[in-house]
Amino acid sequence: TQLLEQSPQFLSIQEGENLTVYCNSSSVFSSLQWYRQEPGEGPVLLVTVVTGGEVKKLKRLTFQFGDARKDSSLHITAAQPGDTGLYLCAGAGNFKFYFGSGTKLNVKP
Amino acid sequence: DAMVIQNPRYQVTQFGKPVTLSCSQTLNHNVMYWYQQKSSQAPKLLFHYYDKDFNNEADTPDNFQSRRPNTSFCFLDIRSPGLGDAAMYLCATSSPRANKRIQYFGAGTRLSVL
Repeated sequence: TQLLEQSPQFLSIQEGENLTVYCNSSSVFSSLQWYRQEPGEGPVLLVTVVTGGEVKKLKRLTFQFGDARKDSSLHITAAQPGDTGLYLCAGAGNFKFYFGSGTKLNVKP
Repeated sequence: DAMVIQNPRYQVTQFGKPVTLSCSQTLNHNVMYWYQQKSSQAPKLLFHYYDKDFNNEADTPDNFQSRRPNTSFCFLDIRSPGLGDAAMYLCATSSPRANKRIQYFGAGTRLSVL
């Protein structure tokens, strides 16, 4: 059973476009992380959101945690080829983390 | 500076030949994890340690074993690698704060099975 549903699974866009990735669950998480992973490397932590309704910005990336702490979104403004990668959301349980299926983003120049 | 270090980055082994992957951390985190990741999929948890307390996932094959001799080090042993075990293996640690548990990953070991 996948606790976190992530969408879309694949996204191919042109440089300069905006995009949003969604991470939804029926479970409440104490915190939720977003990672970006490049081929052949480990996931790199982008942000952790903890409070319901929280919004965090990281340059062109905006992360939102739902009021009920069950869902989250990642919005990228004016995507660049350097944003290409696999984006993963992960909800924190007691000691385990539950991953979404991932979104493979390709930004074409 | 890398805080979760995996060695080697690339490992080639033969079908059925035991292999050990290693992980060390400088964060002094009490929880360590081993994941298997196949191409562009989400990492799949194999097992985790809370201090020395070992927690195996129900669907982790017996072929996969782990050792944690101290807080800093953790090993993944694959007793008889099959072709289906070729994957990226990721080690991670997590912070002890229950209300803000964050996971940090190593760069991974890419395992090839010939």
